[in-house]
Amino acid sequence: DAGVIQSPRHEVTEMGQEVTLRCKPISGHDYLFWYRQTMMRGLELLIYFNNNVPIDDSGMPEDRFSAKMPNASFSTLKIQPSEPRDSAVYFCASSSTLNTGELFFGEGSRLTVL
Amino acid sequence: GQSLEQPSEVTAVEGAIVQINCTYQTSGFYGLSWYQQHDGGAPTFLSYNALDGLEETGRFSSFLSRSDSYGYLLLQELQMKDSASYFCAVRDYTGRRALTFGSGTRLQVQP
Repeated sequence: DAGVIQSPRHEVTEMGQEVTLRCKPISGHDYLFWYRQTMMRGLELLIYFNNNVPIDDSGMPEDRFSAKMPNASFSTLKIQPSEPRDSAVYFCASSSTLNTGELFFGEGSRLTVL
Repeated sequence: GQSLEQPSEVTAVEGAIVQINCTYQTSGFYGLSWYQQHDGGAPTFLSYNALDGLEETGRFSSFLSRSDSYGYLLLQELQMKDSASYFCAVRDYTGRRALTFGSGTRLQVQP
């Protein structure tokens, strides 16, 4: 399996622009997670899905952030409008179960908002 | 909610043994995971402890004491490539039930 695939790997945009990050989980994994990593706040859970249904979005910072999972092989995280404080590495991860504590992370999307 | 504490930095020499501690507070506890992350890379899973005791996987071992809300990652025969950040993470059954990560311990292995 190719692992979790994220795109784009790097994104530089200007404040106010819309940003869409994409993720393809490992085939057969029922759980998909979006995490954000910054020096100040570490690795934070934003939202996770189970069987394409959002289970917990309490980590989503505000209404500017939205996430969707239209099918089992694709998810998006959208920021509109983007702000400089959104600059971070956004990781997507998937797993087949919550029982083993093992998540498979993608390589991340590094977002810079100017 | 949950909170995890781990040292911010640890330095050790090649060939040595190092222990990275993690204490946690959580309302309900399923297990403790450990992840490794090299600079610019993604977190990768190392181990998971749901029960008390020591789990060994090659040069890495992980320990859990549920009664003390404490665990550690033990790295033996350190190699330069072990220089990375190490995160503990808890899964609990209140609220979110997904992994919450500690702030990470940066391990620097010196020759």
